[in-house]
Amino acid sequence: GQNIDQPTEMTATEGAIVQINCTYQTSGFNGLFWYQQHAGEAPTFLSYNVLDGLEEKGRFSSFLSRSKGYSYLLLKELQMKDSASYLCAAMDSNYQLIWGAGTKLIIKP
Amino acid sequence: GAVVSQHPSWVICKSGTSVKIECRSLDFQATTMFWYRQFPKQSLMLMATSNEGSKATYEQGVEKDKFLINHASLTLSTLTVTSAHPEDSSFYICSASDGSSYNEQFFGPGTRLTVL
Repeated sequence: GQNIDQPTEMTATEGAIVQINCTYQTSGFNGLFWYQQHAGEAPTFLSYNVLDGLEEKGRFSSFLSRSKGYSYLLLKELQMKDSASYLCAAMDSNYQLIWGAGTKLIIKP
Repeated sequence: GAVVSQHPSWVICKSGTSVKIECRSLDFQATTMFWYRQFPKQSLMLMATSNEGSKATYEQGVEKDKFLINHASLTLSTLTVTSAHPEDSSFYICSASDGSSYNEQFFGPGTRLTVL
């Protein structure tokens, strides 16, 4: 079956760095997405990886290892507004997104 | 670019009534639109995928006669919840893809449905 695993909740301190891990098992693979979702709002796109390696975009970076079925989202210089749920989603061979349950990130001052 | 709107943002209705939710791609042509449902503290659950001009493909466990989806044009899809019941209360989110590059889905802002 197809499956996405990510931690349910993480806590970090303002100004620090946090890494959110995601492992996936899909039928075929057409890329790995990370979305940010604030409570009561729709998800917003953060990153897309289809090749191995690290993609950096400002304070956020995303890493992919296809051989390990593993990705992480790295958030630097954490700000209070980064408190949100972070959703990992893998696209299968039918271009359908398989969603993780999301990681709730709590930022403390 | 790539803006998706949903209307209404929130709706409260009586049990047994029907509710229509619109999803529009404002600045691109959406060859494919997706409808998701999200219950509190849970992840997105795909309900159905629709391509313009053809019947929607529903996910297992989603009643197609209860959740009517119409994708009549490349910029508009509608979801109608028929004979709504309190257990249908949820956050409904649509997304749209123009089929280019890596099939990125652009999300609408969501519709909060409360059935009394």
